[in-house]
Amino acid sequence: GAVVSQHPSWVICKSGTSVKIECRSLDFQATTMFWYRQFPKQSLMLMATSNEGSKATYEQGVEKDKFLINHASLTLSTLTVTSAHPEDSSFYICSAVPEIGGQPQHFGDGTRLSIL
Amino acid sequence: GQNIDQPTEMTATEGAIVQINCTYQTSGFNGLFWYQQHAGEAPTFLSYNVLDGLEEKGRFSSFLSRSKGYSYLLLKELQMKDSASYLCAVMDSNYQLIWGAGTKLIIKP
Repeated sequence: GAVVSQHPSWVICKSGTSVKIECRSLDFQATTMFWYRQFPKQSLMLMATSNEGSKATYEQGVEKDKFLINHASLTLSTLTVTSAHPEDSSFYICSAVPEIGGQPQHFGDGTRLSIL
Repeated sequence: GQNIDQPTEMTATEGAIVQINCTYQTSGFNGLFWYQQHAGEAPTFLSYNVLDGLEEKGRFSSFLSRSKGYSYLLLKELQMKDSASYLCAVMDSNYQLIWGAGTKLIIKP
């Protein structure tokens, strides 16, 4: 149980393109979803926390206008990287929990984003 | 500030036992988690400790001492597939997960 699906798993695109990443909870309702970014050989960095039906809470230093998060349903959250640039190339991972403050977080398989 | 410390890298031999330590200083405590992350993959949940003591789950065990702000992950009968990064994370009083930088475990034959 507690399966989280993330799509796409790999994206390569030109600089200036906007990229949307989907995160779905397949067998539970995810009240809260988290978006992380991980650069090579570094730890997970939380970008934002989103609760269904509410605006996402962004971590310090994360541009909310560049990383658009939508959590419109209990099973789907999307992260859109707008006008992506090479420095946005990273491994993006979502996770979900069934209730606010619930644990453990169940992770999607991640999306490797490469901007040329 | 909030801080999680764990060794950057450890090396162990196949079949042996290894202990990965984690110390933390956080604003409140609502549990400590260990995750395993293979290179290029997302983390997978291993264990959760909220009370002092040892939690055993097959070849993996996790220990917690809240008074010392200390935990360890014990891996027994090491296998080559255990080569991965092991992430320690603490949930603070706001139910936010604070992540350690991870310990890269290298298993040698």
